[in-house]
Amino acid sequence: DIVMTQSPDSLAVSLGERATINCKSSQSLLYSSNNKDHLAWYQQKPGHPPKLLIDWASTRESGVPDRFSGSGSGTDFTLTISSLQAEDVAVYYCQQYYSTPYTFGQGTKLEIK
Amino acid sequence: QVQLQQSGPGLVKPSQTLSLTCVIYGDSVSSKSVAWNWIRQSPSRGLEWLGRTYYRSWWSNDYAESVKSRIIINADPSKNQFSLQLNSVTPEDTAVYYCARVSPAFDYWGQGTLVTVSS
Repeated sequence: DIVMTQSPDSLAVSLGERATINCKSSQSLLYSSNNKDHLAWYQQKPGHPPKLLIDWASTRESGVPDRFSGSGSGTDFTLTISSLQAEDVAVYYCQQYYSTPYTFGQGTKLEIK
Repeated sequence: QVQLQQSGPGLVKPSQTLSLTCVIYGDSVSSKSVAWNWIRQSPSRGLEWLGRTYYRSWWSNDYAESVKSRIIINADPSKNQFSLQLNSVTPEDTAVYYCARVSPAFDYWGQGTLVTVSS
């Protein structure tokens, strides 16, 4: 199984400041047939299912604010929120869809400082 | 707009079978470009993918090794839904269970069902 490890486990950032969450996979998520990284980022708020923010490591879903961006390739990935808003308080997960079993990171809890 | 509506009991006794259903609106369970999944979430195990069903030229299933001996995921095209059966449950199976579409990431989710395993 591919192990996904996120850092940090929790993060406190001031409003308007940048938040950065890292995700590392135990093997490369770059698929040679399409030259794409099979990595997604989700946001989860209490009482709700996870919401897909980014897939293919850097492609924002429709309706996701452009302050959210994804980067990285291979085994190392980053989710960046360029200017933290109050509504961004949530737990963030990375997930690989390179192969089954699909696996998630343990989550990063983002709070306001 | 795709919507997934889950239903099923919130309390199951140990050793019995957990059964949940996910009705699909706005897409087809027989779509050849997506797969239909069950995922659970608990404080101890985090987000755990349990398995999927999908149709290409025939129906196929994939299951997580951790539950492979106890799980069945079925699709019912006549009702445009899919279901989860998890047999011989223990308190460790207590979790919020979600159905979700994968295309290729999990882009649509059900509302979640808290299932508690307790006598």
